[in-house]
Amino acid sequence: GAGVSQSPRYKVAKRGQDVALRCDPISGHVSLFWYQQALGQGPEFLTYFQNEAQLDKSGLPSDRFFAERPEGSVSTLKIQRTQQEDSAVYLCASSLRGGTGINSPLHFGNGTRLTVT
Amino acid sequence: KNEVEQSPQNLTAQEGEFITINCSYSVGISALHWLQQHPGGGIVSLFMLSSGKKKHGRLIATINIQEKHSSLHITASHPRDSAVYICAVRSFNNDMRFGAGTRLTVKP
Repeated sequence: GAGVSQSPRYKVAKRGQDVALRCDPISGHVSLFWYQQALGQGPEFLTYFQNEAQLDKSGLPSDRFFAERPEGSVSTLKIQRTQQEDSAVYLCASSLRGGTGINSPLHFGNGTRLTVT
Repeated sequence: KNEVEQSPQNLTAQEGEFITINCSYSVGISALHWLQQHPGGGIVSLFMLSSGKKKHGRLIATINIQEKHSSLHITASHPRDSAVYICAVRSFNNDMRFGAGTRLTVKP
């Protein structure tokens, strides 16, 4: 497609379940970011990939959160043993270029709204 | 203190009014982004700037690197401009920090 695609759009999980959230970036985009946005808040950085390399995972809130981008295109954010505080919108964004200090516009997906009951 | 501060948090305007949203940041940046988020959650990138001023239609964004401040202006506001506007800064290691957003409501 023309934009960043995320699936599922909505996910309801029972506490303790594992979930996997998918992001299809724009084809050819080098950089991929995951963000977590709590209700009424701005997005918070989770992790950053340049191609298949996870260069920064400092924003992942706990070791229950894991992200991968094995072939440098599609990325999956996995949350194990979900807790209620994990309820948020998870946003994915991609950018054509990577590297430090190199900027190109960000393109966001519509997000996955995760509700943990 | 947040690294990215936006003001105001909420803004209500009448159609046609000139609107300004401000963003101050405390870290070194390689670029600043203005984003628009609609109620459905989708985010659109409005501007990316590292100096000076950019204009797109009724939207104008300015940045003062020395003062670490940026403004987003909307001229002749319209109800369809109602959204949350988010300021985000990118550091030199590609880390992104976001403001909490400004919720704009434009009444007809």
